Amino acid sequence: ETGVTQTPRHLVMGMTNKKSLKCEQHLGHNAMYWYKQSAKKPLELMFVYNFKEQTENNSVPSRFSPECPNSSHLFLHLHTLQPEDSALYLCASSSDGRGEKLFFGSGTQLSVL
Amino acid sequence: GESVGLHLPTLSVQEGDNSIINCAYSNSASDYFIWYKQESGKGPQFIIDIRSNMDKRQGQRVTVLLNKTVKHLSLQIAATQPGDSAVYFCAEINAGGTSYGKLTFGQGTILTVHP
Repeated sequence: ETGVTQTPRHLVMGMTNKKSLKCEQHLGHNAMYWYKQSAKKPLELMFVYNFKEQTENNSVPSRFSPECPNSSHLFLHLHTLQPEDSALYLCASSSDGRGEKLFFGSGTQLSVL
Repeated sequence: GESVGLHLPTLSVQEGDNSIINCAYSNSASDYFIWYKQESGKGPQFIIDIRSNMDKRQGQRVTVLLNKTVKHLSLQIAATQPGDSAVYFCAEINAGGTSYGKLTFGQGTILTVHP
């Protein structure tokens, strides 16, 4: 295990649903990240939080809303998603927000119907 | 029209052989590079990293080579084992510059090791 835990592992939701993904890191890191991994593209950075402050929003649609209450927890709130949003959503953490040496969780496999 | 899917490069080797996985990067300002391994159903797992002031770095059974002149990175795996079968990603960043926090990943290479 990498010390980064994501729940749920699998999620199926309709386009009108609201759901949340959860990530927790036990590594004492100060930065947390959301990445999207789909079959048609390389890993895409979505959001970066450094010391609970959002330092990067990589042009992500507003139907994805991140929340970082503290340095150990990160959420991704989902609302009115589209089928093309179906993907593996990966959380990662690192000691600082520079983006080096990320430790990833196992991801949440999301299917939007 | 139909979208074109991402066709990952593949590498098939026999158990015990050495494997070389290649990666070309585009940003000449990148100063930190990293290799990840991703097994089915898991997140990417750190293998080895290298900074731009080095051209070679060795780990346990793995070596990363960096050629900044041609913007090329390679991962060498010695005595490849079936457990090495996975997708391997290179990633780059200019941590001190405008890409702060933005580790950019390559498309990945599928490594299959045959017993």
